[in-house]
Amino acid sequence: NAGVTQTPKFQVLKTGQSMTLQCAQDMNHEYMSWYRQDPGMGLRLIHYSVGAGITDQGEVPNGYNVSRSTTEDFPLRLLSAAPSQTSVYFCASSFVAVVPYEQYFGPGTRLTVT
Amino acid sequence: AQKITQTQPGMFVQEKEAVTLDCTYDTSDQSYGLFWYKQPSSGEMIFLIYQGSYDEQNATEGRYSLNFQKARKSANLVISASQLGDSAMYFCAMREATSGTYKYIFGTGTRLKVLA
Repeated sequence: NAGVTQTPKFQVLKTGQSMTLQCAQDMNHEYMSWYRQDPGMGLRLIHYSVGAGITDQGEVPNGYNVSRSTTEDFPLRLLSAAPSQTSVYFCASSFVAVVPYEQYFGPGTRLTVT
Repeated sequence: AQKITQTQPGMFVQEKEAVTLDCTYDTSDQSYGLFWYKQPSSGEMIFLIYQGSYDEQNATEGRYSLNFQKARKSANLVISASQLGDSAMYFCAMREATSGTYKYIFGTGTRLKVLA
């Protein structure tokens, strides 16, 4: 089991560029989510999905798009990067109905927007 | 609205002593789950312990226990016999299960430093 994988680990973008952060899990988890972590802010939920074809917005969705065409993959797209999107991004997955439904996290992507 | 509050940005504890990290939550749901995660300086997120809203007993996992006081909406993490390797950031989180949406919300974290 690879668990939750994220690529890339590091990325530098210029303002206005777009890119996709990849996330995949091999645990057959229904639930997947994206967070951003900023100093002093904890983890803030960007988007989440409870299954293939179903996505919803979290606390800070503006500037980001997601899709969930398969159970395994949940890519996060930055449409037009801004310096305010400089952050560490975590993808996570979990079962929906299997206690304790803890989230398994990927290693994170450190994104810098200049 | 769903909310997690961790009021201690930083804590120090002497090695081998116990420490309590505070967490309060706000929710209108009857069914919810509470979690604690550890984030060492290496950056990965490690699940520590879970408490369900209907669980009558406080959860325990080794040296970790969750002091769940439902009426006060608090879910404090107690680490007994602290070790140097416990130095890390600790996050409290909650999962609501309203109408089929399963949002996990995190607090801002507490940075724990264990002193030798």
